[in-house]
Amino acid sequence: EPEVTQTPSHQVTQMGQEVILRCVPISNHLYFYWYRQILGQKVEFLVSFYNNEISEKSEIFDDQFSVERPDGSNFTLKIRSTKLEDSAMYFCASSVQRGYEQYFGPGTRLTVT
Amino acid sequence: QKEVEQNSGPLSVPEGAIASLNCTYSDRGSQSFFWYRQYSGKSPELIMSIYSNGDKEDGRFTAQLNKASQYVSLLIRDSQPSDSATYLCAVNERDGGATNKLIFGTGTLLAVQP
Repeated sequence: EPEVTQTPSHQVTQMGQEVILRCVPISNHLYFYWYRQILGQKVEFLVSFYNNEISEKSEIFDDQFSVERPDGSNFTLKIRSTKLEDSAMYFCASSVQRGYEQYFGPGTRLTVT
Repeated sequence: QKEVEQNSGPLSVPEGAIASLNCTYSDRGSQSFFWYRQYSGKSPELIMSIYSNGDKEDGRFTAQLNKASQYVSLLIRDSQPSDSATYLCAVNERDGGATNKLIFGTGTLLAVQP
């Protein structure tokens, strides 16, 4: 069964460093998303991406964040200058159409020290 | 501020019983509703989707939707210890038209006692 994959599973970085989180969405899906979950808190929407552009973003998704689909399979989230409060699980998800089921990857645990 | 509300639990049920999980949402225009299961330290796993009023059954799971009351529920029949997890209610928010952002509740922790 097709699934969303993410790498790395765990990333440790120092405050102020740039990180890139990678995702491979399900192959026939057209909509891609990033969510995050701070330990003990709700899953929060960051951004959605369709047709090579951002379709929606949350207040969390400020200028420090960017997304890209560099090729036909990968979808990346870049955080330019990490802060301590960026420490969280980051989940990539994809859906075949807008409003339909979103399938989540296993997540990347980001730890900023 | 659009909200999805769930009782955080824990909800404790004996093995073999029916577990009933509830969720309310604030955006009356919401169109799509989902239940995810999340084991500790893992990602949300989609278990049910429901789009219209009424019941939808899939194996041991039944999702129920009442848009007039802005209420979604999930019933798990014949609960097993392996069902012990946090169950997340998620609502596809409508914001001036079709959208694809999911708003999650805090989740209900289910504990199935052997």
